[in-house]
Amino acid sequence: EVQLLESGGGLVQPGGSLRLSCAASGFTFSSYAMTWVRQAPGKGLEWVSGITGSGGSTYYADSVKGRFTISRDSSKNTLYLQMNSLRAEDTAVYYCTKDKSPLGPPSDCWGLGTLVTVSS
Amino acid sequence: EIVMTQSPATLSVSPGERATLSCRASQSVSSKLAWYQQKPGQAPRLLIYGASTRATGIPARFSGSGSGTEFTLTISSLQSEDFAVYYCQKYDNWPPSFGPGTKVDIK
Repeated sequence: EVQLLESGGGLVQPGGSLRLSCAASGFTFSSYAMTWVRQAPGKGLEWVSGITGSGGSTYYADSVKGRFTISRDSSKNTLYLQMNSLRAEDTAVYYCTKDKSPLGPPSDCWGLGTLVTVSS
Repeated sequence: EIVMTQSPATLSVSPGERATLSCRASQSVSSKLAWYQQKPGQAPRLLIYGASTRATGIPARFSGSGSGTEFTLTISSLQSEDFAVYYCQKYDNWPPSFGPGTKVDIK
């Protein structure tokens, strides 16, 4: 059974940093692209960042480009999202997703999400 | 950048009735279109990909159609568990953006 377990969310001040992790199990991690999707309170889904199965290509939404970094460690079956220079508008539930192919979406498995709150 | 729109924003349907949801892309995305269902307090779930292919375990009452810029998700006979928010997502290239969603609620 595919499982994705996010961690690392919490309360952080504007301008601060946070690193999210997503522990994956139940599939061959390096064979699939992975994605971070976020959802602000009461709002819709926003694609944030993606990384190919090999880790060789990474992609970012304009809203986070230059501030967020996605990475993966196949030895630990773990996906990461390093978030720097956080803003109030980054407040959201962040979902880790497994994509159906090694190149990208759609996302066929989602974690439960981790809440990031940016506030002073 | 391609913009995704969905209509209507809210759809009120009685159990057992048919629901038809629309998704439109500002430019052609070929058949690279997925639909997701999200229930309150839960993570989204993939329903349809490739515009018309049901994901694993998805009931046959869910069907997708369309290509290019116009897409439709049809729920043939709404069950109580189908009342939720539905999002479309294009994934022809980066960024794989989502539509704003359609909420299906009980009439």
